[in-house]
Amino acid sequence: GDSVTQMEGPVTLSEEAFLTINCTYTATGYPSLFWYVQYPGEGLQLLLKATKADDKGSNKGFEATYRKETTSFHLEKGSVQVSDSAVYFCALGNTGNQFYFGTGTSLTVIP
Amino acid sequence: GAGVSQSPRYKVAKRGQDVALRCDPISGHVSLFWYQQALGQGPEFLTYFQNEAQLDKSGLPSDRFFAERPEGSVSTLKIQRTQQEDSAVYLCASSRGGVWETQYFGPGTRLLVL
Repeated sequence: GDSVTQMEGPVTLSEEAFLTINCTYTATGYPSLFWYVQYPGEGLQLLLKATKADDKGSNKGFEATYRKETTSFHLEKGSVQVSDSAVYFCALGNTGNQFYFGTGTSLTVIP
Repeated sequence: GAGVSQSPRYKVAKRGQDVALRCDPISGHVSLFWYQQALGQGPEFLTYFQNEAQLDKSGLPSDRFFAERPEGSVSTLKIQRTQQEDSAVYLCASSRGGVWETQYFGPGTRLLVL
């Protein structure tokens, strides 16, 4: 069945460092891919998404490119801020009605 | 506008009790999802509604779990004869469409079974 594998955390970075959180997926067909974020004390919210191969999702300085050849959707940001400290979830939606999340990666950015 | 709301926010139950968790989706959202999130894990899909129709319940862990959305709006997740392993955060999300659309999440109900 479909699944998402996400790099394990926690990740600790200094402010202005480069961030990569790896995400790979297993799916038949053409899933849509998502990154959701959970800030401390808040609910899950969409960060970005891509619905077809080679699409790039972007938001708040974060980017992820849907790579079908490597079945990946890695999250990147060029310069992280303290306010980016959160838990990040890679996720997949496909034909059928199920939705799959990765296990989450906790990011802490220190000043 | 109002987001997704869930109640209660916290629930403590004794093992063997029945519990009911409520979700109020965003008005007009066709799709509604329930997830179970264990501590330190990602949300696990439980069930999906399109309007009042439960189109997928393959993620419900046992026949003690039951969900309904009788009028295509508010949904209730019921857990009968709760067990300790049911302790988790239960998340509800709604969207305008299916699994390809952005889901809007509620704050969750934290269930603790003693």
